[in-house]
Amino acid sequence: ILNVEQSPQSLHVQEGDSTNFTCSFPSSNFYALHWYRWETAKSPEALFVMTLNGDEKKKGRISATLNTKEGYSYLYIKGSQPEDSATYLCAFSIHYGQNFVFGPGTRLSVLP
Amino acid sequence: NAGVTQTPKFQVLKTGQSMTLQCAQDMNHEYMSWYRQDPGMGLRLIHYSVGAGITDQGEVPNGYNVSRSTTEDFPLRLLSAAPSQTSVYFCASSDAGTGSTDTQYFGPGTRLTVL
Repeated sequence: ILNVEQSPQSLHVQEGDSTNFTCSFPSSNFYALHWYRWETAKSPEALFVMTLNGDEKKKGRISATLNTKEGYSYLYIKGSQPEDSATYLCAFSIHYGQNFVFGPGTRLSVLP
Repeated sequence: NAGVTQTPKFQVLKTGQSMTLQCAQDMNHEYMSWYRQDPGMGLRLIHYSVGAGITDQGEVPNGYNVSRSTTEDFPLRLLSAAPSQTSVYFCASSDAGTGSTDTQYFGPGTRLTVL
């Protein structure tokens, strides 16, 4: 069974702080690494899909990096805002569009 | 497009009852899947389908059946509900095979309580 880990489990930051969290995954048979943003009482929404070692993706104040050789990805949020409060999930797949394995998520709370 | 829809949004069952959770997508996605979400455990894959007529088991398939008679629909059946199946269930679909994104699109979820 593939195991995806995320740390920290939860995080509280002040508005304006920058923060980052980690997703660790098996480095063998890698196909893609996904990041999702999941607000309470809503459905997970895709942020990034990364497939190549060294990939960096950016969307506004949020960016992500990928290291497939050592099996980790970082998600960065610059200048956190209260609306960034959510659970951030990463998911790993070894086949095209199949068998996503999700990590347990990092719950971010941004305090005004 | 409505995207991925799920019904019902909420359901309460008694132990031993059966029911079907409905999932439909209008994006012509080949890949569909069912997850359950439990506190502290993230999303766990129950069953998935790579196209009409093809289904397979995920990480936690016991107690659940699926079928995929059309591209659009992927119902999840609970054969004899147990309290351990109390959870939030998410259906998702993906455009796997049509491009490089293979992002999964999630439905709004069904919150199921088994008494």
